[in-house]
Amino acid sequence: DAKTTQPNSMESNEEEPVHLPCNHSTISGTDYIHWYRQLPSQGPEYVIHGLTSNVNNRMASLAIAEDRKSSTLILHRATLRDAAVYYCILRDETSGSRLTFGEGTQLTVNP
Amino acid sequence: NAGVTQTPKFRVLKTGQSMTLLCAQDMNHEYMYWYRQDPGMGLRLIHYSVGEGTTAKGEVPDGYNVSRLKKQNFLLGLESAAPSQTSVYFCASTPVRGSTGELFFGEGSRLTVL
Repeated sequence: DAKTTQPNSMESNEEEPVHLPCNHSTISGTDYIHWYRQLPSQGPEYVIHGLTSNVNNRMASLAIAEDRKSSTLILHRATLRDAAVYYCILRDETSGSRLTFGEGTQLTVNP
Repeated sequence: NAGVTQTPKFRVLKTGQSMTLLCAQDMNHEYMYWYRQDPGMGLRLIHYSVGEGTTAKGEVPDGYNVSRLKKQNFLLGLESAAPSQTSVYFCASTPVRGSTGELFFGEGSRLTVL
């Protein structure tokens, strides 16, 4: 399975943008890049996903490098409620049933 | 709309006891998963199922068994609980075969083995 690498932790200030990086150098052409986040004492929740083009939704934006070996989750204006662990995972059409989460990035948002 | 429901939410077991965690989804999803999460760690895949009557091993399957007799239910069993199985267990499901499906998670089941 293709793996992802994320920093263990990041800090941000409230109302500032946050860029969360993810490296996936062994990504295959059929892998989609998914992001989830886990708030304290809750199950993970879906944030966004993409294949090649940058994606936007109400929660965040996903910027994907041209060679697809890395991606960045962008929170445009961090709030205290965005403090969570953020997971970047790859999902493949052929082996897509086996979904593996890494350690994720613990995001701290300072008031 | 219930989504993914896990029962029980909390359980304390003694070493050697057995128990079953139930995951139920009402969204007609094909794929279902069981993960465990130890304190300060990420999620690790225990077992998963790609459809009714099928199951497969994940990263950490030892000490667990699963069954998917009905499409909406995915059961995780511990035949002889060990303290190393103290963890929070999450169930998830996804509706599509392909790569774009969103995973829906339950709220978790906290298991303590004494």
